[in-house]
Amino acid sequence: DADVTQTPRNRITKTGKRIMLECSQTKGHDRMYWYRQDPGLGLRLIYYSFDVKDINKGEISDGYSVSRQAQAKFSLSLESAIPNQTALYFCATSDFRAYNEQFFGPGTRLTVL
Amino acid sequence: AQKVTQAQTEISVVEKEDVTLDCVYETRDTTYYLFWYKQPPSGELVFLIRRNSFDEQNEISGRYSWNFQKSTSSFNFTITASQVVDSAVYFCALSGGSGNTGKLIFGQGTTLQVKP
Repeated sequence: DADVTQTPRNRITKTGKRIMLECSQTKGHDRMYWYRQDPGLGLRLIYYSFDVKDINKGEISDGYSVSRQAQAKFSLSLESAIPNQTALYFCATSDFRAYNEQFFGPGTRLTVL
Repeated sequence: AQKVTQAQTEISVVEKEDVTLDCVYETRDTTYYLFWYKQPPSGELVFLIRRNSFDEQNEISGRYSWNFQKSTSSFNFTITASQVVDSAVYFCALSGGSGNTGKLIFGQGTTLQVKP
């Protein structure tokens, strides 16, 4: 089984809808991250969390919120989706003791119509 | 601020050619980590290598090699005798620095097309 899983893998929704993307990990890492990938822009950090009580904004947090329900679960929400949030979303975990190497989920392809 | 630049947006080569993907980074920190990831057409991110700032030794892994030069802030990636399966988007990324949040700063990515 994969160490970092994301659900759903693909989602098409309409403008104004609330969407939640979920991430689960079995690696036992404290640190979790949400990134967004757009063509020509690489991946950009949305939010990150060091533990259940710690949430931090990344480079592009506007329009997004997150919840760290447990060490193993980190959810990303779009409260009112808009078309320019159409992108590929990745969840990742890392162990700072392992030189910041990050382990990525398979990605969620989100389309907002 | 930290920044990673991959100036080559797209590269096209014929199979068996050697190809080098450039990566230039900016950071004021003395301790940092550099990474390369591969993203094949299926979309997942595949970890290729990590380099620590205090280790400038070049590395070779099969047909892949990496040249890390702190003097020019570069971490270039060479594929020798390219194959069609090497076709993918390749990302260079930087991590570390103040507070060491572990977050990665990615370059824009280089799309490599290897033609048969």
